[in-house]
Amino acid sequence: GQQLNQSPQSMFIQEGEDVSMNCTSSSIFNTWLWYKQDPGEGPVLLIALYKAGELTSNGRLTAQFGITRKDSFLNISASIPSDVGIYFCAGARFHSGAGSYQLTFGKGTKLSVIP
Amino acid sequence: EPEVTQTPSHQVTQMGQEVILRCVPISNHLYFYWYRQILGQKVEFLVSFYNNEISEKSEIFDDQFSVERPDGSNFTLKIRSTKLEDSAMYFCASSEVASPYEQYFGPGTRLTVT
Repeated sequence: GQQLNQSPQSMFIQEGEDVSMNCTSSSIFNTWLWYKQDPGEGPVLLIALYKAGELTSNGRLTAQFGITRKDSFLNISASIPSDVGIYFCAGARFHSGAGSYQLTFGKGTKLSVIP
Repeated sequence: EPEVTQTPSHQVTQMGQEVILRCVPISNHLYFYWYRQILGQKVEFLVSFYNNEISEKSEIFDDQFSVERPDGSNFTLKIRSTKLEDSAMYFCASSEVASPYEQYFGPGTRLTVT
């Protein structure tokens, strides 16, 4: 099956620092999404990207859809303690005729913020 | 803000028993999904459902699994004859026609098979 390689696996940063994480794939995706998951909860959608090269922001979060359509990155600026959690990238490809928009997830980046 | 809800939050069952996990998708959404997440691992796709039928399923979704939309609001996942390796968090998600890729997840049901 399709694999998304997400890095880094985990990171420890000081409050106020900027963070960058990325996701790469051997396959092309139509859409890239970034989710955040807190312990014991479901993934929460942060950003959706639809076009190659697209750069989208959501508050302190900025994400980009790679030109090759095989990668994406997420930046968090001026981190705060509530940014702690696991960040997942997800790629989506519409399956023609199936009416399905299955998401393929990366393994996640666990972010810890030191106050 | 509308959200996906799931019940129960935690289900403990014995190996071989049947379980039904319930979800109420966001009301104007028409695409429904089940995903699972084994502890500490990534989220994996199980099945998608649209227009009252399965539109796609993964290799994980074998004959042991079934889904149903019994009425206008509920979406269920049935697991027959549970196995130890079925222990995981099960997430329901839904998306709307206008932005089908943007899937909104419920809080999950933690299934523990003993």
